[in-house]
Amino acid sequence: DAKTTQPPSMDCAEGRAANLPCNHSTISGNEYVYWYRQIHSQGPQYIIHGLKNNETNEMASLIITEDRKSSTLILPHATLRDTAVYYCIVRDSGGSNYKLTFGKGTLLTVNP
Amino acid sequence: DAGVIQSPRHEVTEMGQEVTLRCKPISGHNSLFWYRQTMMRGLELLIYFNNNVPIDDSGMPEDRFSAKMPNASFSTLKIQPSEPRDSAVYFCASSFAGTENIQYFGAGTRLSVL
Repeated sequence: DAKTTQPPSMDCAEGRAANLPCNHSTISGNEYVYWYRQIHSQGPQYIIHGLKNNETNEMASLIITEDRKSSTLILPHATLRDTAVYYCIVRDSGGSNYKLTFGKGTLLTVNP
Repeated sequence: DAGVIQSPRHEVTEMGQEVTLRCKPISGHNSLFWYRQTMMRGLELLIYFNNNVPIDDSGMPEDRFSAKMPNASFSTLKIQPSEPRDSAVYFCASSFAGTENIQYFGAGTRLSVL
């Protein structure tokens, strides 16, 4: 699997957009980028995933660069409840590729 | 949907005792995963079931750990005998087959072995 690199921590003001970067320079053509987050004392939560096009859902937007070597997760209006560790994971989609490798992620702290 | 339901939420036991953790996956999901999370090792996959059949148990630490899935709506993770180093948060997750990378996690069971 392609290795991902994320900053260990970031801060964001409540109500502002939170932009979380992820580098995955060795990503292969059939690998997707997945984002999960883990709020303190809870289980990980799936957020969004994409292959090469930008994606948006009710939780966030995912921007993938044209060369696919990096991506950014955007929380458009961060709230205090978005404080969590955010994980960027690169995997083939489905099938036998079920092992999600959660690295250290980025601790996002949303400040009032 | 109630999501993945795990019980108990907290378990405190003494070394040598048997511990059983329980999981009810999301209805309709046919893949189930057990994970363990510690500060030192992060989140580790212990075992993966597909259609109630264990597919990959390579992450199970040793013979003291066993997992079963007798039907599509219930799974257990058993530790016998338990040891202090088994103290961790254990998560169960489920997904649809074919989209195993989109997993829905339960709230976890925090296990403390004294």
